[in-house]
Parts: sequence; structure tokens; C-alpha cells
Amino acid sequence: DQQVKQNSPSLSVQEGRISILNCDYTNSMFDYFLWYKKYPAEGPTFLISISSIKDKNEDGRFTVFLNKSAKHLSLHIVPSQPGDSAVYFCAASVMGGGSNYKLTFGKGTLLTVNP
Amino acid sequence: SQTIHQWPATLVQPVGSPLSLECTVEGTSNPNLYWYRQAAGRGLQLLFYSVGIGQISSEVPQNLSASRPQDRQFILSSKKLLLSDSGFYLCAWTTGGPLETQYFGPGTRLLVL
Repeated sequence: DQQVKQNSPSLSVQEGRISILNCDYTNSMFDYFLWYKKYPAEGPTFLISISSIKDKNEDGRFTVFLNKSAKHLSLHIVPSQPGDSAVYFCAASVMGGGSNYKLTFGKGTLLTVNP
Repeated sequence: SQTIHQWPATLVQPVGSPLSLECTVEGTSNPNLYWYRQAAGRGLQLLFYSVGIGQISSEVPQNLSASRPQDRQFILSSKKLLLSDSGFYLCAWTTGGPLETQYFGPGTRLLVL
């Protein structure tokens, strides 16, 4: 049973436009969410995070929105650039997990930004 | 600054052969360490994690095992590889706090033939 779902395996966007990547979760215990970006044959790199006490977190061109009632979060990239083309993973965790802190990842969405 | 190393970068192994992948972290002490596998179309699956030397937690039953012989060393092993063990293996570390992000190594691409 997948607790973190990224239902769109791929997304194609024109350079300069907005990219919106979606993520849904089923475990109501999750209270901390992260987005990672991954290029082929490399490890994922951390992009942005949000805790459940917030509904929005912004960092430059990247904004993450959290809708707790819908158990949904989204990553907005504005404006999109060709270098943003990568696989984006949504991840979730329980902050109270203590030493057993671990992330649950979605399957990822391949974003392609066309010049 | 902290760095994480994985080797080898790429490995081609026959079915039934043993496996040993190594991960080391520099610049930190007592990290939490993680092994993930990314198989085609399946996202990042957590295989093992360790909160200290000799302490291993397994997330999914499988053909693999993990060991942590030193504080900053994490090893993924198998006695006999299966075709289904092919994938991209990633090691990650964190200081262990709930708001700390996980930092990933460069990964090892394993192809079992």
C-alpha cells in the first residue's frame, strides 16, 4: 500500500511557464514533507520542505503548498527552466519518529522543461 | 563539510554471485544511515536503516543484508544475487533529527545478468 502517491509519472512544460507537481498521501500521521530532485545516475538532492504547521513555503522559484485536509501537497516552479528537467520525488515523514526517523517516498514525476 | 561516498559506481554481476556495496560518510559523527533502491518505475524504496554501529533495521524482506561495522560505514551485501536485485542503490545519511533532511550519495547502478 503506497502511502505517498505521485500519480503523474511525467510532466512536460514550456520554458518560462509554471510547473506544478502533485503529491498525495494517505497516512494522517505524516507531518513533515520534502521534495527531492534527481538527475539520471545521481543521488537525489534536497529541494524544499514544509511542516504541517504551515500551508506554504517558498524558496526562490520553488514553492510548496500543503493542504492537510485533502492530504495533498504540490510543488510549483516559476518560471520553469530547462535545467529543472529531472525526476522530482515527494517524501513524507513523522517528526515524532525520533531515532527511527525515515522518509517514505513517492514514485517520482519526470519533469521535462522544453526550451 | 560532510560528504558521502559510494562505490562502485557501476557493477555488472551474474545471477548467483555475491554482492558488497560500500557507503562511507565524512565530516559527521554518529549519523543515521540508510540504503534505498530505485527500481524502474518504483520510486525510492527504503531497504535498511541504521542508527548506530551494529544496529540494522530491515524494511522489506529480501535477498539483501546490511551491516555497519564502523560509525560512518554502511555495507549492503548479498550472498547470491537475483535478477530482481538489479537497480540503482542509494545510500543516505542524516543527523537523526526529525527536521533534518537526508543527504544522498551518488548511487551504484547494479545490473544482474
